[in-house]
Amino acid sequence: AQKITQTQPGMFVQEKEAVTLDCTYDTSDQSYGLFWYKQPSSGEMIFLIYQGSYDEQNATEGRYSLNFQKARKSANLVISASQLGDSAMYFCAMSRRAGNNRKLIWGLGTSLAVNP
Amino acid sequence: DTEVTQTPKHLVMGMTNKKSLKCEQHMGHRAMYWYKQKAKKPPELMFVYSYEKLSINESVPSRFSPECPNSSLLNLHLHALQPEDSALYLCASSQEWGGLVSYNEQFFGPGTRLTVL
Repeated sequence: AQKITQTQPGMFVQEKEAVTLDCTYDTSDQSYGLFWYKQPSSGEMIFLIYQGSYDEQNATEGRYSLNFQKARKSANLVISASQLGDSAMYFCAMSRRAGNNRKLIWGLGTSLAVNP
Repeated sequence: DTEVTQTPKHLVMGMTNKKSLKCEQHMGHRAMYWYKQKAKKPPELMFVYSYEKLSINESVPSRFSPECPNSSLLNLHLHALQPEDSALYLCASSQEWGGLVSYNEQFFGPGTRLTVL
C-alpha cells in the first residue's frame, strides 16, 4: 500500500540549532516524487523542497535539505540554523501515479516548535 | 506572479445557506485542486481540474459543487452544508496533472476557514 509515515507528532528545537524531521514511505512505483510542505498557524501550505526518485543527489534549498535514502525508503527533512519563524506543522508527501493521474499522499505531519 | 489567491478568508454560514469559495492563479498552471483540511490533519483531496475539465472527484458529497470557468479560476459552490463540513478549504495549482513526470509541485493558496452553524 502507498503510505507516508511521519513518526514524530511533535518536536522541539532550540533556536539556531539543526533539526531533522523524519519521513518514511512505502511504494511499489519506480517513479515517484517526495515533497515537504510547511504550514504555519495562518494555514497556508508552503512548498519547501522536492526529491525525485531518480535523483542521485540530495535536494537542498537554502536552510532546508532532504536526506534521501532510497533503499531505506526514507526522506528526512533537515532544517539548519532553526529560526523562530520555523515553528509550524511540517508535512511530508509523495506523488504517486493513479492511472493516468498523479495524487499526493500525505503524512500526518510533525509539529515543530522553535524555542528562543 | 507565483501566488494563488482565495476569497473569502473566513466564512460563516448556516446549514440552509448557499455560498461560494473562489480561487485564482495567474501562473499559467493547467491543473487546479480543492482540498479540505481539518485541524492538525493533512489535507484531503476533493477535486482535481485538468485543462478546465474535472479529472478527479474523490467521492465528495453533492453539497459541494466545483466549477472551473476558465484556466485561472476555480470555484467551490456550497449548499446545505453540515457542521462537520467546517474546515480549512485549500486551493492549489500546478503546471500539469498526470503523466510520467513525478515532479508536480503544487502551489497552495492561504485557504478559506469555513464554519457551518
